Amino acid sequence: RKEVEQDPGPFNVPEGATVAFNCTYSNSASQSFFWYRQDCRKEPKLLMSVYSSGNEDGRFTAQLNRASQYISLLIRDSKLSDSATYLCVANNNAGNMLTFGGGTRLMVKP
Amino acid sequence: GAGVSQSPSNKVTEKGKDVELRCDPISGHTALYWYRQSLGQGLEFLIYFQGNSAPDKSGLPSDRFSAERTGGSVSTLTIQRTQQEDSAVYLCASSLDGINYGYTFGSGTRLTVV
Repeated sequence: RKEVEQDPGPFNVPEGATVAFNCTYSNSASQSFFWYRQDCRKEPKLLMSVYSSGNEDGRFTAQLNRASQYISLLIRDSKLSDSATYLCVANNNAGNMLTFGGGTRLMVKP
Repeated sequence: GAGVSQSPSNKVTEKGKDVELRCDPISGHTALYWYRQSLGQGLEFLIYFQGNSAPDKSGLPSDRFSAERTGGSVSTLTIQRTQQEDSAVYLCASSLDGINYGYTFGSGTRLTVV
């Protein structure tokens, strides 16, 4: 089983839609979680950290469900510029590195 | 600089040649990572340096790959006797402590082996 698993998509949504991605992680002891965004032919960039209590940054909301070992990212009022691959990240089994999921591709259409 | 700097940004080399890729991390970041990403694929972990500890080389795909980090700062990834399957984007990242603050990535070196 991969340490961090994501649906690769693509998710095709119209502008203005709300879209949600889930990701599962295998290490029940993981403490650090993030969402990264990667644009085509660019490096991954930190989108937001994921806290136990959940956190919101503008149109983006991240949630952590420890019982089911999944992380979610909700994007409201999708913009064309949100089109990218979203990477789910959790610390590894050894607790000394981050493990990146394979990414979920989002395409927002006019 | 403020970010992670990688050079060169692009490298085209002939099969069988050796290449060196450089990474200059954010000042003060103790952890440095190398990843490789083939077109349309996810990140493949290569090697990890943390402070003065021995590097974690568990992701290096073959003994043609090696890396060093001098003075706890700049890192060089060396690929000997390059093969066409080595063509990919090589990404370097640095982190303040390893897991709590996330990684900051450089813009990568696009390696093409012809």
